[in-house]
Amino acid sequence: EVQLVETGGGLVQPGRSLKLSCVASGFTFNNYWMSWTRQAPGKGLEWVASITNSGGSTYYPDSVKGRFTISRDNAQNTLYLQMNSLRSEDTATYYCTRGYGFAYWGQGTLVTVSS
Amino acid sequence: DVVMTQTPPSLSVAIGQSVSISCKSSQSLVHSDGKTYLNWLLQNPGQSPKRLIYQVSNLGSGVPDRFSGTGSEKDFTLKISRVEAEDLGVYHCVQATHVPFTFGSGTKLEIK
Repeated sequence: EVQLVETGGGLVQPGRSLKLSCVASGFTFNNYWMSWTRQAPGKGLEWVASITNSGGSTYYPDSVKGRFTISRDNAQNTLYLQMNSLRSEDTATYYCTRGYGFAYWGQGTLVTVSS
Repeated sequence: DVVMTQTPPSLSVAIGQSVSISCKSSQSLVHSDGKTYLNWLLQNPGQSPKRLIYQVSNLGSGVPDRFSGTGSEKDFTLKISRVEAEDLGVYHCVQATHVPFTFGSGTKLEIK
């Protein structure tokens, strides 16, 4: 059974940093792209970042480019999202998803950016 | 960026009825590899999204065949035949052909 478990969310002040983790199980992690997608409270879904199987290439929308960094540790079956210079508009539940087909989602971790 | 226009924003249907949701993209979703990366997701209240349909018309694992997807290029439709109570929630379309990947604004399905 595919499982994705996100951790690392919490309350953080504007301008500060936070690092999210996602531990994957139930599939061969290094066979798949991995992605992060977020959902602000009461709003729609927004793709945040993707990384290729090997970690050699990464992709971001303009809204987070230069502030967020996606990475992975294939030996530990773990995906990361380093978030710097956080803004109030980054407040959202962050989901780890497998691949670019959005086939599997974690339960999400809530990030609140507020002073 | 590809804009995904999803309609209607909300629906109210009785159990057993059929409904359709539309998703139109601002540019063709046919990838250079020939595939069309258009997916449909359902987010039940308080839950994470789950994928229903991938690549326009392929049913996800464990998804009832009451759900079906059609379309091509820039115009896509999700149809739910014989709506059941468990189908309530928000339906999202998402394209993964072009970076940045983009979502529709969602369609909220309520049961009468």
